[in-house]
Amino acid sequence: RKEVEQDPGPFNVPEGATVAFNCTYSNSASQSFFWYRQDCRKEPKLLMSVYSSGNEDGRFTAQLNRASQYISLLIRDSKLSDSATYLCVVTLNTGGFKTIFGAGTRLFVKA
Amino acid sequence: DGGITQSPKYLFRKEGQNVTLSCEQNLNHDAMYWYRQDPGQGLRLIYYSQIVNDFQKGDIAEGYSVSREKKESFPLTVTSAQKNPTAFYLCASSIGQPYIQNTGELFFGEGSRLTVL
Repeated sequence: RKEVEQDPGPFNVPEGATVAFNCTYSNSASQSFFWYRQDCRKEPKLLMSVYSSGNEDGRFTAQLNRASQYISLLIRDSKLSDSATYLCVVTLNTGGFKTIFGAGTRLFVKA
Repeated sequence: DGGITQSPKYLFRKEGQNVTLSCEQNLNHDAMYWYRQDPGQGLRLIYYSQIVNDFQKGDIAEGYSVSREKKESFPLTVTSAQKNPTAFYLCASSIGQPYIQNTGELFFGEGSRLTVL
């Protein structure tokens, strides 16, 4: 079983749609959780951190369920510019931080 | 502006040649990392370093070597022993030590795309 698993997609949605990405992680000792965005042939960039209380940044909402070891990202009112790959990332504190990346979920937003 | 600089951005190599990818950061971060990304796959850790003059193998270290002589620099050498080196290589850094405010966020360079001819 992969340490961090994501639906690879691709998700093809029209502009204005709401889309949700799911991610599960296997290590219950995982400490920090993130969503990164990666554009084609570019480096990943932090989209948002994920907290147990849930957090929202504009059209983006992230949720963490520690009991189920599950992370989600909701994008409302999708824009063409949201087209990218979304990476679920988990870190473990093992004396330094070990970071584990999911393979990513590809999103295409169409006009 | 603080950040991570990788060079070269594109590199072509003949089989049997060693190549070195440069990574420099001015974020004053302790930890630095090298990842490899293949099409449609997640990032895989090659090597990491949490402090100067020390580094550890990641999940796919075979055929690669690194050094960490300065805090700012973490070059990666792709040796001829790496059987399938064509990939996108990403260098990253993080504060590294478990400071209270440290969440483990990684900061990436723009990447180096290596193609073996």
